[in-house]
Amino acid sequence: DQQVKQNSPSLSVQEGRISILNCDYTNSMFDYFLWYKKYPAEGPTFLISISSIKDKNEDGRFTVFLNKSAKHLSLHIVPSQPGDSAVYFCAGTNAGGTSYGKLTFGQGTILTVHP
Amino acid sequence: ETGVTQSPTHLIKTRGQQVTLRCSSQSGHNTVSWYQQALGQGPQFIFQYYREEENGRGNFPPRFSGLQFPNYSSELNVNALELDDSALYLCASSTKQGFDYGYTFGSGTRLTVV
Repeated sequence: DQQVKQNSPSLSVQEGRISILNCDYTNSMFDYFLWYKKYPAEGPTFLISISSIKDKNEDGRFTVFLNKSAKHLSLHIVPSQPGDSAVYFCAGTNAGGTSYGKLTFGQGTILTVHP
Repeated sequence: ETGVTQSPTHLIKTRGQQVTLRCSSQSGHNTVSWYQQALGQGPQFIFQYYREEENGRGNFPPRFSGLQFPNYSSELNVNALELDDSALYLCASSTKQGFDYGYTFGSGTRLTVV
């Protein structure tokens, strides 16, 4: 039962353009979502999050959009830079419940930004 | 401020053996979670420890067990290793039980079971 899905295994974009990474979820109890970035041989690094009471959160070049009715979120990176090349994971959790901080991750999307 | 450190970085074990993986939490963090990341998949929650007690568990059998020590460091023990246990094991620490989502992940231990 894949509660969080990232249907695009990979994405390739040109430096300076927009990168859009998508994520779908099925668990209606999720009320908080996070994006992590992972470089090879390193652990995941927290990027940005969004609560279900919002539909958008921005942090510099990174913006996360949440469409609760569609159970869909997306991460926009503008402008994309070669250093953004990494694996991106989205994760959902039930912050207000008894999930004990359990994060449910998607399978990840490999982003490659070409100079 | 030190981050999360895990040891060893790589490990090869034989099916049926037991293994212990170690994690030192980031300074000031009192909660630690363990995740298993199989090749090509996202991390899967194993369990979380808070104040030295297991506080939440994912869909993993009892042969996966853990400990948290008074200094908030932690161990993950896996008994009767199976080939499917081959994965990257990640430790993540945070400041509060389930409410601080600034989880800091270690670089992981790559376990290979042959």
